[in-house]
Amino acid sequence: LAKTTQPISMDSYEGQEVNITCSHNNIATNDYITWYQQFPSQGPRFIIQGYKTKVTNEVASLFIPADRKSSTLSLPRVSLSDTAVYYCLAYNDMRFGAGTRLTVKP
Amino acid sequence: DAGITQSPRYKITETGRQVTLMCHQTWSHSYMFWYRQDLGHGLRLIYYSAAADITDKGEVPDGYVVSRSKTENFPLTLESATRSQTSVYFCASGTDYEQYFGPGTRLTVT
Repeated sequence: LAKTTQPISMDSYEGQEVNITCSHNNIATNDYITWYQQFPSQGPRFIIQGYKTKVTNEVASLFIPADRKSSTLSLPRVSLSDTAVYYCLAYNDMRFGAGTRLTVKP
Repeated sequence: DAGITQSPRYKITETGRQVTLMCHQTWSHSYMFWYRQDLGHGLRLIYYSAAADITDKGEVPDGYVVSRSKTENFPLTLESATRSQTSVYFCASGTDYEQYFGPGTRLTVT
C-alpha cells in the first residue's frame, strides 16, 4: 500500500511560494501521484498529477524525484483564496491521507 | 449540464433505518467512488467501481452496499444505519488518473 505522509499544517503569507511535500515510500512502479485541494463544505478538486520529474499547469507544479518516494506540490505566489486542505494520493491506491491544512495570511 | 450530482444533499435518519444515497455522473467515466469524511478528518474510501457491474471494497465497506447497473449511477445504501455512520459522503467519478467529486451528502443518524 502506498501510504502517504504529509505535514498536518503549514502557514504562509500572500505572494509567497508554498511547497508541500508528501512521502510515499511504497508507491507502485506504475502508479501516478495526484494532488487535490479541498475547501470547507466542498468535495476535493483535482489540481495536478505526475509520474516523475516535473509537471506544471496553470495553477501548480509537481516535482517527483527519480526514486519516486516523495513528491512536492509547489504553489506560486499564493493568495488568501488558496487557504484549503491539500491531499496527495497515489492514484491506484485510492487512499487519501489526512492532508495538509494550508493557511495563507495577509 | 454535465457533471456529477448527489442526492439528497442533507439527510437525517434514525438508527436502524435503511438509507440510500444517490450519485449520478454525465461524463461516462468508467470509474466511480464513494468516500466518507468525518469532521476534521481526511477521506476514507468505502467502495469503488471500475465499470458497470464491477464493484470492489475500499477501506471501510462494513455496513454499506453498492450497485452499479448503469455506468452513470452508483448508489450507496446503508442497510441499517448506525450513529457511527454520521458523516459527509462524497461520490466521485474518474478517468485513469483524475477523480471529480460531487458536492457531498451530509448524513446524520440519530
